[in-house]
Amino acid sequence: ELQLLESGGNLVQPGASLSLSCTASGFTLSDSGMSWVRQAPGKGLEWVSGILTGGKTTYYADSVKGRFTVSRDNSKRIVNLHMNNLTVEDTAMYYCAKEDDGRFESWGQGTLVTVSS
Amino acid sequence: YVLTQPPSVSVAPRKTAILTCGGDNIGSQVVHWYQQKPGQAPLLVVFDDSDRPSGIPERFSGSNSGNTATLSISRVEVGDEADYYCQVWDSSNDHWVFGGGTKLTVL
Repeated sequence: ELQLLESGGNLVQPGASLSLSCTASGFTLSDSGMSWVRQAPGKGLEWVSGILTGGKTTYYADSVKGRFTVSRDNSKRIVNLHMNNLTVEDTAMYYCAKEDDGRFESWGQGTLVTVSS
Repeated sequence: YVLTQPPSVSVAPRKTAILTCGGDNIGSQVVHWYQQKPGQAPLLVVFDDSDRPSGIPERFSGSNSGNTATLSISRVEVGDEADYYCQVWDSSNDHWVFGGGTKLTVL
């Protein structure tokens, strides 16, 4: 069974850094593009970052470009999102999603990031 | 690229709900739709404008033309109450884009 398990969410202060991980199982991670999508409390979905199969091609939303870095280790079946200089606007549930031909066909259950002083 | 969805739609049980997603010449894009129930992760319900993943009831259907993509849910059930999001790949900016979402209420 395909499964995506996010971890690393936490309560941090503004300006802090935090790393999230997504552990994949039930499919061949190296065959799939992966993305991070977030959802602020009571708000809609916002795509944050994507990484293609080999890991060399990455994409970022304008709201996080220059602060967030996505990476992957296919051998360990992990996709990471490193977040720097966090602001209160980054408070959200962060979902890992398996991308296929432009759509997000599978999602994890999310990990909560709260940025507050 | 901006996708515009009405914030809310209400429908009576067993009727058909029509959810729209507006965008500039969206008919030239490939549109996907997600259902999200409270406390749950999103679920893909329609992809490539009108295809359904396995396990999604035939009551869910999609279309896309001109400046509007549409998700139709026939014979609506109370269990269909959820937020629904449309999504495209914006190749001009190498971004994935979501609409703002529509809350479907079953009266």
